[in-house]
Amino acid sequence: DIQMTQSPSSLSASVGDRVTITCRASQSISSYLNWYQQRPGKAPKLLIYAASSLQSGVPSRFSGSGSGTDFTLTISSLQPEDFATYYCQHTYSTPIVFGQGTRLEIK
Amino acid sequence: QVQLVQSGAEVKKPGASVKVSCKASGYTFTSYYMHWVRQAPGQGLEWMGIINPSDTSTSYAQKFQGRVTMTRDTSTSTVYMELSSLRSEDTAVYYCARRRTGRHDAFDIWGQGTMVTVSS
Repeated sequence: DIQMTQSPSSLSASVGDRVTITCRASQSISSYLNWYQQRPGKAPKLLIYAASSLQSGVPSRFSGSGSGTDFTLTISSLQPEDFATYYCQHTYSTPIVFGQGTRLEIK
Repeated sequence: QVQLVQSGAEVKKPGASVKVSCKASGYTFTSYYMHWVRQAPGQGLEWMGIINPSDTSTSYAQKFQGRVTMTRDTSTSTVYMELSSLRSEDTAVYYCARRRTGRHDAFDIWGQGTMVTVSS
C-alpha cells in the first residue's frame, strides 16, 4: 500500500498568514493527489484535486502543487473560517489512502 | 441541488451487523461511482471501498474484505454499506462520498455522516 505522510501534524497561525502544508507519498503517485478540509463535526470538503486543480467554489487563496512524491497545499492569506483539519489523499491505486491530517489552529 | 443524505445514527452490539444508507439527489445516480469512508472518534479518514451504481461492481479495501458489502437500489437512488461482525473498533462516523467525473478520482460530494456505535 502507498503511505501518505503529512507535515506538520499541527500548526498555529494568525489571520492573514501564509501557510504551507506538506504531503509525501511513499512512492510516486504522479499527480493523483487531492486535498480536503474538515471542520469539527462536519464532512470533509474537497479543495484541490489532481494536485493543483481548484475545486469549483473553493476560494482562490487555496492552491496546490507538486507531483511524484512531494506535494504542498498553500493558503495565501488565512481567513477565520480556514481554521480546520486538512487531509491529503492519493487516488493512484487502491487502497486509497489519506494522510494523517494537519490541524490548523488560531495563534 | 446535488446532495447525499445518509441514514441516522445506530447503536449495535458486538457481533451484529449494520446497514447504512446514502440517498443521492440532484444528479444522474448511475453516472457516478460512490465511495465509503469512515472516521473513528478523534482519528483520521479511512477508505473502505467503492461501488459503481451502474453495474453494481465493487472494490473493497483488503482490511474489510469479507465483512463489508456495498449495494445499490436504482429505484430510490440509494447506495448501502453493510458491515458485519461488528467490534468496538468499528465505532466511527461512516460517510458516503461521490467520485467526481474525469481521469483523476476525488470525492466531490459527501454525505453528512452516520455515527455507528458498537457497544455491549
